[in-house]
Amino acid sequence: EAQVTQNPRYLITVTGKKLTVTCSQNMNHEYMSWYRQDPGLGLRQIYYSMNVEVTDKGDVPEGYKVSRKEKRNFPLILESPSPNQTSLYFCASRTTGQREKLFFGSGTQLSVL
Amino acid sequence: EDQVTQSPEALRLQEGESSSLNCSYTVSGLRGLFWYRQDPGKGPEFLFTLYSAGEEKEKERLKATLTKKESFLHITAPKPEDSATYLCAVQISGSARQLTFGSGTQLTVLP
Repeated sequence: EAQVTQNPRYLITVTGKKLTVTCSQNMNHEYMSWYRQDPGLGLRQIYYSMNVEVTDKGDVPEGYKVSRKEKRNFPLILESPSPNQTSLYFCASRTTGQREKLFFGSGTQLSVL
Repeated sequence: EDQVTQSPEALRLQEGESSSLNCSYTVSGLRGLFWYRQDPGKGPEFLFTLYSAGEEKEKERLKATLTKKESFLHITAPKPEDSATYLCAVQISGSARQLTFGSGTQLTVLP
């Protein structure tokens, strides 16, 4: 089954404790992206990657890092989480030729205390 | 500044009561407008893409239309299973970034 898999689904942590949210897709997609979703603000892009070893900032990259060492994986790293990073996070991917059809993961609800 | 605004924020309909959701946009150049559906606890799911004013797309009880300033998602004779949050997004010409999303319309269809 074609899918984007995120882990964990729920995460509670404390300020300053480094964490990684994993994302993996099995569709051989070149493009992957991370979004955060906050009430009233919609989905905002954090980082995206056009292909392996190619990443770029989205609209709200501060406080986040990403890496793309393999085509299927695109982890999101919070080196020193803060309470304002409490949010619902989505990973998404698509092929280069279908710019509209993003496939989303099921989300990671992060709470930073 | 590029902006995407959806209205209303929330909409409650009786089963069978048709209505429309609005997505207005102010962007420097539109490459495409997209509609997604999001169910609670899940990621958004792609519905439609519209590329030019006058274009229309249909899927079951949903019909999306596009003008130069806004898009409508028309829901005809909705059923409870149509309850979800509907997200609108735009892709801007010349931008390598993906999509700029609106904040969504939460639709509830009562039986």
